[in-house]
Amino acid sequence: DAGVIQSPRHEVTEMGQEVTLRCKPISGHDYLFWYRQTMMRGLELLIYFNNNVPIDDSGMPEDRFSAKMPNASFSTLKIQPSEPRDSAVYFCASSLTLYEQYFGPGTRLTVT
Amino acid sequence: DQQVKQNSPSLSVQEGRISILNCDYTNSMFDYFLWYKKYPAEGPTFLISISSIKDKNEDGRFTVFLNKSAKHLSLHIVPSQPGDSAVYFCAASATGGGNKLTFGTGTQLKVEL
Repeated sequence: DAGVIQSPRHEVTEMGQEVTLRCKPISGHDYLFWYRQTMMRGLELLIYFNNNVPIDDSGMPEDRFSAKMPNASFSTLKIQPSEPRDSAVYFCASSLTLYEQYFGPGTRLTVT
Repeated sequence: DQQVKQNSPSLSVQEGRISILNCDYTNSMFDYFLWYKKYPAEGPTFLISISSIKDKNEDGRFTVFLNKSAKHLSLHIVPSQPGDSAVYFCAASATGGGNKLTFGTGTQLKVEL
């Protein structure tokens, strides 16, 4: 079975541009999570959904960040406008059982 | 405020010896703890977990110890193998917090021949 799928794997964009990251969770998983990884802060939870409904978005750093989950098989994380400090690796994860999350390969975002 | 701390950014051990990775937490509501392993250019993968009702959980070469009074947990890998070289993340969760995990900053383990 395919795991969590993320696209693109790498994204390079200029400051001020809109960036959209995409995620397809594992089929049947009820929870979907978006994380950001940086050297200083490690893995930070940005937002998570349960049955397509956003449950906790307290980790979203600013209004420039938004996430949607229009159906059980697709989610997006959008940054508009992007800034250099948004450069990081963004992970999507999904889970069915409590606690154990399955991560995608990540999207490395570079904002110049 | 970092609620889960991994104070050693890196660790180097020789093949066949024991690797001990440490993790401290500050939130007394945490009652479930996990370790994830991450290779370069891949997402983290679940390794082992422990509930706060236990103080030890073992799975093959991997053992996690939990000291609730000290708010400390550790991951022991014995014997260490070169394929264990990766970044290890400690994570914690609180009942009633949904599936929300709080991760540490990770420890880079290098197992040398």
